[in-house]
Amino acid sequence: GQQVMQIPQYQHVQEGEDFTTYCNSSTTLSNIQWYKQRPGGHPVFLIQLVKSGEVKKQKRLTFQFGEAKKNSSLHITATQTTDVGTYFCAVGAGGTSYGKLTFGQGTILTVHP
Amino acid sequence: GAGVSQSPSNKVTEKGKDVELRCDPISGHTALYWYRQSLGQGLEFLIYFQGNSAPDKSGLPSDRFSAERTGGSVSTLTIQRTQQEDSAVYLCASSRIPTANTEAFFGQGTRLTVV
Repeated sequence: GQQVMQIPQYQHVQEGEDFTTYCNSSTTLSNIQWYKQRPGGHPVFLIQLVKSGEVKKQKRLTFQFGEAKKNSSLHITATQTTDVGTYFCAVGAGGTSYGKLTFGQGTILTVHP
Repeated sequence: GAGVSQSPSNKVTEKGKDVELRCDPISGHTALYWYRQSLGQGLEFLIYFQGNSAPDKSGLPSDRFSAERTGGSVSTLTIQRTQQEDSAVYLCASSRIPTANTEAFFGQGTRLTVV
């Protein structure tokens, strides 16, 4: 099935510093989604990337999809304490498992004020 | 409904007992997913449904785990003869169409503790 490796597993930053998490796949992806899970909460959809080389922005968050559609990144500029949580990428499977949504291991972000 | 609803929110059970976890997806959502999340860990895929059928059951950890979905709506995840390693948060999600190209909406989860 579709597998994605997400790094780093943990990231500790001072408030105001930037943060980036990466997802990498050995196979070409049709699309990739990003989710955020606040401590004690459930994952919440952030965005979906579909096109090769696509870049999307949401305020301080920048999402990129690689040219080969095998990797993606989420970058947060000038982190705030409200950014604390776990960030997951998620990819869909193909073939007989079409529709299956598989998540990366997640990156746990802590922000020190 | 307004969102994905899971019940119970918390369940404490004795080792060896059976438990049923319920998921009520957003009305009209065709795809339904079950995941398991241990403390501080990622989302472990268990099973997903397209309508009432489950094309992929490969994530179910053992034959003690089963799931069904009826009427294209409510789903039940059953764990028989629970073990302590089954303790985790069980998350359900639904999406409008089963292509993994649309946003998945998650419920609040059921926290299962096996003592």
